[in-house]
Amino acid sequence: ETGVTQSPTHLIKTRGQQVTLRCSSQSGHNTVSWYQQALGQGPQFIFQYYREEENGRGNFPPRFSGLQFPNYSSELNVNALELDDSALYLCASSSNGQGTMVEKLFFGSGTQLSVL
Amino acid sequence: AQRVTQPEKLLSVFKGAPVELKCNYSYSGSPELFWYVQYSRQRLQLLLRHISRESIKGFTADLNKGETSFHLKKPFAQEEDSAMYYCALSRYNQGGKLIFGQGTELSVKP
Repeated sequence: ETGVTQSPTHLIKTRGQQVTLRCSSQSGHNTVSWYQQALGQGPQFIFQYYREEENGRGNFPPRFSGLQFPNYSSELNVNALELDDSALYLCASSSNGQGTMVEKLFFGSGTQLSVL
Repeated sequence: AQRVTQPEKLLSVFKGAPVELKCNYSYSGSPELFWYVQYSRQRLQLLLRHISRESIKGFTADLNKGETSFHLKKPFAQEEDSAMYYCALSRYNQGGKLIFGQGTELSVKP
């Protein structure tokens, strides 16, 4: 069983640039959720993808967007980067997400994004 | 608005002492509550869920709807329990969309 993998592990960008983060979900999982974790804070829900459709969104602006592919892997895109976007971005996969109770999320190790 | 509060950023206890990590939530409906743990250099992982009413690694947590709390307890702390603990809430049947608290770092001293 392959776990959740994220790439890259670290990334440095400058303000105004765009970034794409990638996540491969655990084998058999069709739902991917993305979280932002600022230093010293708990993870904050960005959005979730279920069967290639956005299935819920947290309080993040539209410059945060995503995709899910037929193999259930996912991308998080952030446009017009701001200094406050510096954080650890976590991806989590689960086996269902459409109006159901999820037993547990499986998290990746995250991508550490620094915006200078 | 839904919110999860963990009032302690750091909790330090000696090995063998009881541990209680506090978690309070605000939510008007029927929440699902979780405890996630992150050990040093490991990824975030589920410790337990209120609906399972289970004990994992000696930890238990009881949902108290009257006090809107979901405190995590262990009668005798072990050094390997040292980690970052996050309490999280999900709205009923909104799987995967968790609201996390700020986390409590538990340090168990020998």
